[in-house]
Amino acid sequence: SQTIHQWPATLVQPVGSPLSLECTVEGTSNPNLYWYRQAAGRGLQLLFYSVGIGQISSEVPQNLSASRPQDRQFILSSKKLLLSDSGFYLCAWDRGRDEQFFGPGTRLTVL
Amino acid sequence: GENVEQHPSTLSVQEGDSAVIKCTYSDSASNYFPWYKQELGKGPQLIIDIRSNVGEKKDQRIAVTLNKTAKHFSLHITETQPEDSAVYFCAARTGRRALTFGSGTRLQVQP
Repeated sequence: SQTIHQWPATLVQPVGSPLSLECTVEGTSNPNLYWYRQAAGRGLQLLFYSVGIGQISSEVPQNLSASRPQDRQFILSSKKLLLSDSGFYLCAWDRGRDEQFFGPGTRLTVL
Repeated sequence: GENVEQHPSTLSVQEGDSAVIKCTYSDSASNYFPWYKQELGKGPQLIIDIRSNVGEKKDQRIAVTLNKTAKHFSLHITETQPEDSAVYFCAARTGRRALTFGSGTRLQVQP
């Protein structure tokens, strides 16, 4: 069966510090991978998605970037965090149609 | 692109009552409609989905209906229980495009 992992589960970072969040998927190959952000009490904002290694599409201009160095690994990064980057970050995968599955999320607090 | 609207934003029901959440979509070519349940601090979990060639689908106490002509679909939860309390998201997908999510409904089941 397929599983999706995210780490760390929680993170507290000062403004201006770098960020690296990691997502890995097990039990499938060539998945589509997604990064979402969820502000407190809000909906899901799609940040990036990837249909293959090195292929990244950005949905919104921002302070963040994404990379896919391996087939089942998706990384969300920032060189300098802003207060507005705080939120709940969710990774998800699917096969390009139908069901999409989410990871457990990373709670990021920027102080 | 696709636009999904979800109502109500909050819903409070008494234990044992039914709950209904409604979504409308804009792209008539959308063909897949999942519903997710998100508990506090966790990633969304797929609870039920429906494809455009089906009008209704049931799974125990939950059901989803789809009206393609009107471009709306609904989630029905019967005999609600306190553990049904969560945020529910609808979504729509057109072909191989990324899912478009509604803004979420916070359901509270009062014991």
